Amino acid sequence: KAGVTQTPRYLIKTRGQQVTLSCSPISGHRSVSWYQQTPGQGLQFLFEYFSETQRNKGNFPGRFSGRQFSNSRSEMNVSTLELGDSALYLCASSLRRQGATGNSPLHFGNGTRLTVT
Amino acid sequence: GNSVTQMEGPVTLSEEAFLTINCTYTATGYPSLFWYVQYPGEGLQLLLKATKADDKGSNKGFEATYRKETTSFHLEKGSVQVSDSAVYFCASLYSDKLIFGTGTRLQVFP
Repeated sequence: KAGVTQTPRYLIKTRGQQVTLSCSPISGHRSVSWYQQTPGQGLQFLFEYFSETQRNKGNFPGRFSGRQFSNSRSEMNVSTLELGDSALYLCASSLRRQGATGNSPLHFGNGTRLTVT
Repeated sequence: GNSVTQMEGPVTLSEEAFLTINCTYTATGYPSLFWYVQYPGEGLQLLLKATKADDKGSNKGFEATYRKETTSFHLEKGSVQVSDSAVYFCASLYSDKLIFGTGTRLQVFP
């Protein structure tokens, strides 16, 4: 079974631009969560999508948005990029929603490393 | 709010040494607890988990026991290998959110 696939692996953008990151979950998984990983802040929860609806959201500004398609694939968009948005963005999928992950662990992709210059 | 605190790294050990990475949590209830591991250039992988007090999670020689009285979930391994070098994250699941600690880098030398 293929794992979680994130594309692209690396991105370089300049301040003010926007970016779209893509995540394909494990086949059959309906929940997709996004995390931002930085050396200073660690792993910060962005949002979770389940059945094409955002179910949970972290404390990020509105410049960060996402969506999920009917095949469970998800995209994350960051508009008006800032230098501080440079990070590794991780996507994770699970069979059920995070609230039920006691028996449905998260499976992470290898991430997209975004550099904003 | 809910949070997870891990010991700062890096933790540097020789091969076959005993490993402990401390993790404590704060939560208004009884969260499920997890340890994830991140190898260089990869995403996180679930290492082990415990869903209730006194549960012991174990995998690949690693163990952690859910201690309600000390709100802790310390990771231990009796004999580390060079291949265990990675970043280890403790996490707490409560109220539909998985909260991670800041991670502890483990470096094992031959």
